Amino acid sequence: DVKVTQSSRYLVKRTGEKVFLECVQDMDHENMFWYRQDPGLGLRLIYFSYDVKMKEKGDIPEGYSVSREKKERFSLILESASTNQTSMYLCASSSIDGYTFGSGTRLTVV
Amino acid sequence: GEDVEQSLFLSVREGDSSVINCTYTDSSSTYLYWYKQEPGAGLQLLTYIFSNMDMKQDQRLTVLLNKKDKHLSLRIADTQTGDSAIYFCAEYSSASKIIFGSGTRLSIRP
Repeated sequence: DVKVTQSSRYLVKRTGEKVFLECVQDMDHENMFWYRQDPGLGLRLIYFSYDVKMKEKGDIPEGYSVSREKKERFSLILESASTNQTSMYLCASSSIDGYTFGSGTRLTVV
Repeated sequence: GEDVEQSLFLSVREGDSSVINCTYTDSSSTYLYWYKQEPGAGLQLLTYIFSNMDMKQDQRLTVLLNKKDKHLSLRIADTQTGDSAIYFCAEYSSASKIIFGSGTRLSIRP
């Protein structure tokens, strides 16, 4: 069964910490995405990547960076976590048939 | 710019039909999607429709597309308690991105 795996379901971090959210897909997809989901706002695109070592800013990239060193892995980095980055983070990879999502990481920044 | 809009809440009685509506702005969208998100889970692709189709039926699900009005709907026949979830409408835009609506929370009452 093909899937997208996010390494953590729940994370609690302190303000100012550097946070890594990891995502791995086993479908050999070229496109990978990071979204955050907040009540009433739906999914907002943070960053995406078309290929290894390539990245593009989404709609809300401020405060985030990404790394795509291998095709199957796309990491989201919060350089200095802040409380307004408390959210559900969803990783996805895609083909033309649609996206496959991970189960999400709920990050709380205290 | 590209935008996808849908209402935030829908409540239906068990056994009735649910109709979730969505409007989008990008007339060049080639694919339109419906995703389902159950509590605590990531998004799951429910169904999709090509832009050259008017209707697609899959068991209890019927998708209707009015391309002239840029209106997409999802009808769930004989709604069950297991259908309680958030339903996201999405369109495939340029640059291999999918634009999501804010999600419609479907609740089922006995």
